[in-house]
Amino acid sequence: DAGITQSPRHKVTETGTPVTLRCHQTENHRYMYWYRQDPGHGLRLIHYSYGVKDTDKGEVSDGYSVSRSKTEDFLLTLESATSSQTSVYFCAISRGQGLRAFFGQGTRLTVV
Amino acid sequence: AQTVTQSQPEMSVQEAETVTLSCTYDTSESDYYLFWYKQPPSRQMILVIRQEAYKQQNATENRFSVNFQKAAKSFSLKISDSQLGDAAMYFCAYRSENTGTASKLTFGTGTRLQVTL
Repeated sequence: DAGITQSPRHKVTETGTPVTLRCHQTENHRYMYWYRQDPGHGLRLIHYSYGVKDTDKGEVSDGYSVSRSKTEDFLLTLESATSSQTSVYFCAISRGQGLRAFFGQGTRLTVV
Repeated sequence: AQTVTQSQPEMSVQEAETVTLSCTYDTSESDYYLFWYKQPPSRQMILVIRQEAYKQQNATENRFSVNFQKAAKSFSLKISDSQLGDAAMYFCAYRSENTGTASKLTFGTGTRLQVTL
């Protein structure tokens, strides 16, 4: 357990609405990540953060923005949700030898 | 860009038997890390085992071991004495050493392992 909490765990939203997913960590880790998981694609990196207010894009960042105003919170925002953003979203932190990644429990987002 | 390929969408093994899951990857780098993650029906991603590319010795963790063939860019996972609790989706993942201290992972598409009695 790496002290990672994602909220909400499940969400259904309508196309065109804004959505924010929250990742909260309790162990003061510098690096945090957002991935999405889709059948046939495994997990793909959306954005990551290397400190407060320091973020960078991942492989599939289009349509997503992130913010990190505090060490413990990393927010993922879909400004205008689309059906292609229906997915399971995972937050992760990295720590320890080799900077191993540890994941939250995931958020299942359905855009209808 | 690196790619990770898992060519076995599904595998099945009998309880107490041994199974090997395949993973190949493509990279031009010499320094990197490879991982196997397990995802049970709970959806939690659990780190199973890790291999540093500079190490020739294959990593082992209890019943889990890897066969790392750097020249062939192959990284297979062997599960010995399979248990019902091993049933899950297994993901192979790659991390470049060139990302500095960021642990950005590239994942394969996964292999679903079924364990039968």
